[in-house]
Amino acid sequence: DAKTTQPPSMDCAEGRAANLPCNHSTISGNEYVYWYRQIHSQGPQYIIHGLKNNETNEMASLIITEDRKSSTLILPHATLRDTAVYYCIVGSSSGYALNFGKGTSLLVTP
Amino acid sequence: DAGVTQSPTHLIKTRGQQVTLRCSPKSGHDTVSWYQQALGQGPQFIFQYYEEEERQRGNFPDRFSGHQFPNYSSELNVNALLLGDSALYLCASSLLAGVGYNEQFFGPGTRLTVL
Repeated sequence: DAKTTQPPSMDCAEGRAANLPCNHSTISGNEYVYWYRQIHSQGPQYIIHGLKNNETNEMASLIITEDRKSSTLILPHATLRDTAVYYCIVGSSSGYALNFGKGTSLLVTP
Repeated sequence: DAGVTQSPTHLIKTRGQQVTLRCSPKSGHDTVSWYQQALGQGPQFIFQYYEEEERQRGNFPDRFSGHQFPNYSSELNVNALLLGDSALYLCASSLLAGVGYNEQFFGPGTRLTVL
């Protein structure tokens, strides 16, 4: 699986959009981009995934660049409950291991 | 519908002892994966079970072993505990032939402290 690079930490004001970047320059053609988050003292939670096209669900939007070498997770209106560590993961659809890195620690402030 | 459950929530052991952690998957799921999360790090994959067989294994020594039962629940066993085994152990379940992408549902974890 390809490796990912994320900033270690970011801040966002409550109510504003949080844009979390991820670089995955070695991604292969059949690999998906997954985002999970982990709120303190809980297990990770699936947010969204994408292959080539931009995706949106009730939690977030995922923007993938045309060359697929980077992506951005967007939380459109961040709340205090969105404070968590966000993991960008590249992998197949096969259901095998998720290769977590260190993620981005997002702090949403009042 | 209960999600993924794990027991116990906390555990304290001493070096050299053995420990067994338990996991019940989300209803309808047939695949269980185990992860180890050291403080300040992301979860690291230990192994995955499907149809009572180990399907994939991460870079962990043989001291780490597992089992999946016919009801899809799973156990993680760690022998000859080391101080470095202190971590949060996470169980995740999924449906192998499910939605076509790798969505895993995680339990709250078991916090293991080795003294």
